[in-house]
Amino acid sequence: QVQLQESGPGLVKPSETLSLTCSVSDYSISSGYSWGWIRQPPGGGLEWIGSIFHSGSTSYNPSLESRVTISVDTSKNQSSLKLRSVTAADTAVYYCVRPRGYSYFDYWGLGTLVTVSS
Amino acid sequence: QSVLTQPPSVSAAPGQKVTISCSGSSSNIGYNYVSWYQQLPGTAPKLLIYDNNKRPSGIPDRFSGSKSGTSATLGITGLQTGDEADYLCGTWDTSLSAYVFGPGTKVTVL
Repeated sequence: QVQLQESGPGLVKPSETLSLTCSVSDYSISSGYSWGWIRQPPGGGLEWIGSIFHSGSTSYNPSLESRVTISVDTSKNQSSLKLRSVTAADTAVYYCVRPRGYSYFDYWGLGTLVTVSS
Repeated sequence: QSVLTQPPSVSAAPGQKVTISCSGSSSNIGYNYVSWYQQLPGTAPKLLIYDNNKRPSGIPDRFSGSKSGTSATLGITGLQTGDEADYLCGTWDTSLSAYVFGPGTKVTVL
């Protein structure tokens, strides 16, 4: 059973960079599959942020693409998310997920709330 | 505003059946697989249905999915109090080049 755990600062100042890490347990990232991130603002719906495929290629939501970087560190068995120039609109619960291609997400982390505020 | 449309809420008595619709267009549901997620209050979403009608291991057969044209439907039979949650549909949108989710439907067990 794959387990995903997000970690990172719960508070980020406007205009700074939001950085989160997803630690993967019971599965080696280097073995395959894709990894990604989804967010959900308080009381709002889900928004796909992006995915990184086993090949190393990435796919980002066009609405966020200019500010997002998703990467993996196989030595640490982690995925990471960086979102630059954040504003209050980026306040959300951020979920680490395992995408199955472009079709669905079969594993989700518990989520971590990130608040953007000075 | 989501490109997928779901009813805000549905309700039924325990043991009854509910269906939740997810309406889209030819650039999303009409061309790609649909998945469904259950989000219990205060928790992360959980995959219920993938590839329109497949259930992951551990998901009871009370949950079913179907797709026709540009709409998809999630069915829940034998409704239980533990089924009270938000249910969201999702699919790839070819025009937007993005994975999109519906706004969610809240299921209430009367």
